[in-house]
Amino acid sequence: DAGITQSPRHKVTETGTPVTLRCHQTENHRYMYWYRQDPGHGLRLIHYSYGVKDTDKGEVSDGYSVSRSKTEDFLLTLESATSSQTSVYFCAISLKGAEQYFGPGTRLTVT
Amino acid sequence: GESVGLHLPTLSVQEGDNSIINCAYSNSASDYFIWYKQESGKGPQFIIDIRSNMDKRQGQRVTVLLNKTVKHLSLQIAATQPGDSAVYFCAENEDSSYKLIFGSGTRLLVRP
Repeated sequence: DAGITQSPRHKVTETGTPVTLRCHQTENHRYMYWYRQDPGHGLRLIHYSYGVKDTDKGEVSDGYSVSRSKTEDFLLTLESATSSQTSVYFCAISLKGAEQYFGPGTRLTVT
Repeated sequence: GESVGLHLPTLSVQEGDNSIINCAYSNSASDYFIWYKQESGKGPQFIIDIRSNMDKRQGQRVTVLLNKTVKHLSLQIAATQPGDSAVYFCAENEDSSYKLIFGSGTRLLVRP
């Protein structure tokens, strides 16, 4: 997985609670991404980062925020989780050009 | 593992046959394309890429073909093996920020 870890790997939480997912890389790459994957929708970009403290929105950013205080960590926060945010979340990094390598994923269930 | 997609188009092939997975992309300005393989419960895995100044690129048992005229991309897998069973995604790069836009995927099933 190209030196990418995600934590937790599985989480069940209740509607209305905040949740933070962590992506950690050991490759020192500039670009990091958060995607969600749902049946019938493939992979959709939530947010991405192009450097420390530099982030931008993807196509499905509502209800999510991110932070990147150091190169190796990219955090995804659900401020107040909803059932529609039940999904599998993948982090990715860019090694060269647009070629992205993905982490193992986090399965989040919001009840 | 996680369910990748309940309503994905599916390609079923006999072990040892060649597989062809197709993808139509949306943006004529896209200049970089990637194929990913995703096995159940895992993240997408890079297979092969191609730039728009090429129309064919070969890897180990895989070939990607690009037809810019009709905005079509295909992945050919030679001598398909049971380990090739997975969901395959194409992705296109739209701008210099390195963002990728993914297709919805095709499930490949290899019959023994």
